[in-house]
Amino acid sequence: GQNIDQPTEMTATEGAIVQINCTYQTSGFNGLFWYQQHAGEAPTFLSYNVLDGLEEKGRFSSFLSRSKGYSYLLLKELQMKDSASYLCAVSRSGTASKLTFGTGTRLQVTL
Amino acid sequence: ETGVTQTPRHLVMGMTNKKSLKCEQHLGHNAMYWYKQSAKKPLELMFVYSLEERVENNSVPSRFSPECPNSSHLFLHLHTLQPEDSALYLCASSQDREQPQHFGDGTRLSIL
Repeated sequence: GQNIDQPTEMTATEGAIVQINCTYQTSGFNGLFWYQQHAGEAPTFLSYNVLDGLEEKGRFSSFLSRSKGYSYLLLKELQMKDSASYLCAVSRSGTASKLTFGTGTRLQVTL
Repeated sequence: ETGVTQTPRHLVMGMTNKKSLKCEQHLGHNAMYWYKQSAKKPLELMFVYSLEERVENNSVPSRFSPECPNSSHLFLHLHTLQPEDSALYLCASSQDREQPQHFGDGTRLSIL
């Protein structure tokens, strides 16, 4: 089976940096997605990591370690609009259409 | 802004009703998906269509019936639903099954 773990909730201050972790256990791992979902809205794609390492995209960066079954999403210079749920999702080789999602991390950015 | 449009946004129905959810994508994608999102639970994949052919059915009860008449449209027909089926139903599409999925805003379904 598959198991994806991420913290349920996090709180951080505007302007700060926050790291949201995701650990997974799965066979045939292919890649890992991060999505952002504001309340009442569609999830939106943030990043996709296949290889080990850090990928930076503006204020958001995503890291993957395949050997450790670990990823994190790093958000810098936090803004109030970053308050949302962040979903970690794993895809498996040969079944790339089938994403398995974690329960999501609800991030609250405060003043 | 989303290239995936779902209607209706909200739906309240009784357990004996029959209704359909509609999804339309304007992105020229070849794969479309239905997901169920319940409170405090992970997104659950229900169905996958690739080039209008159903390629995956994730052990979904038969009271949910998908239909994909063409690569731009996807329907989810509902009948004799149960209260536990109340959830947010999300549609997504992707260029192919290897690419990131783009989601619609969902239909909030409440079963009385």
